[in-house]
Amino acid sequence: DVVLTQTPSTLSATIGQSVSISCRSSQSLLDSAGNTYLYWYLQRPGQSPQLLIYLVSNLGSGVPNRFSGSGSGTDFTLKISGVEAEDLGVYYCMQATHAWTFGGGTKLELK
Amino acid sequence: QVTLKESGPGILQPSQTLSLTCSFSGFSLSTSGICVSWIRQPSGKGLEWLATICWEDSKGYNPSLKNRLTISKDTSNNQAFLKITSVDTADTAIYYCAQTHIPYVMDAWGQGASVTVSS
Repeated sequence: DVVLTQTPSTLSATIGQSVSISCRSSQSLLDSAGNTYLYWYLQRPGQSPQLLIYLVSNLGSGVPNRFSGSGSGTDFTLKISGVEAEDLGVYYCMQATHAWTFGGGTKLELK
Repeated sequence: QVTLKESGPGILQPSQTLSLTCSFSGFSLSTSGICVSWIRQPSGKGLEWLATICWEDSKGYNPSLKNRLTISKDTSNNQAFLKITSVDTADTAIYYCAQTHIPYVMDAWGQGASVTVSS
């Protein structure tokens, strides 16, 4: 199985602060066709997960542009440029290049 | 508007078979590029992908659970199904279904169905 390791596991931020979450894969997520199937999801408290980013850096429909994704191969990053209160929750990276797996999650909380 | 709703037995006993239904509207599983995925989440823990079925009836399973999982669909009635055989307490979780677009984008999720395995 491909293991996705997210750091940090918990992130404390103030409103307006910019933060980053790392997702490292145990194998390259670049497939033979040149695609990298890496996604980011947010699960707000008591809610179902929702898509933020697909294929490393593409913003999901309706997702604010303070969210951005980057990376390649085995190292990926989600950045929030100016945290807002509605951003609190648990962030998950997910890969679908190999049998789909999720990272362990990063909880974003208010400092 | 895309909506999905999961339904299941709520509670079942170890060794039984868990049958889950995902009823959806706003899209069709006969449309090219459309799939439905199942994901679960034990209480207070992370997400685990279980299976995906697509418009042309291709299927993908989590390798660690593959021998116990069967995914299927009823395109006419806008439903997808998941069966898990020989359940035990480790299968206690919230089970979600999600509309999935190629390239594997899960962009609409149901509210989840709680399943408890207990004797």
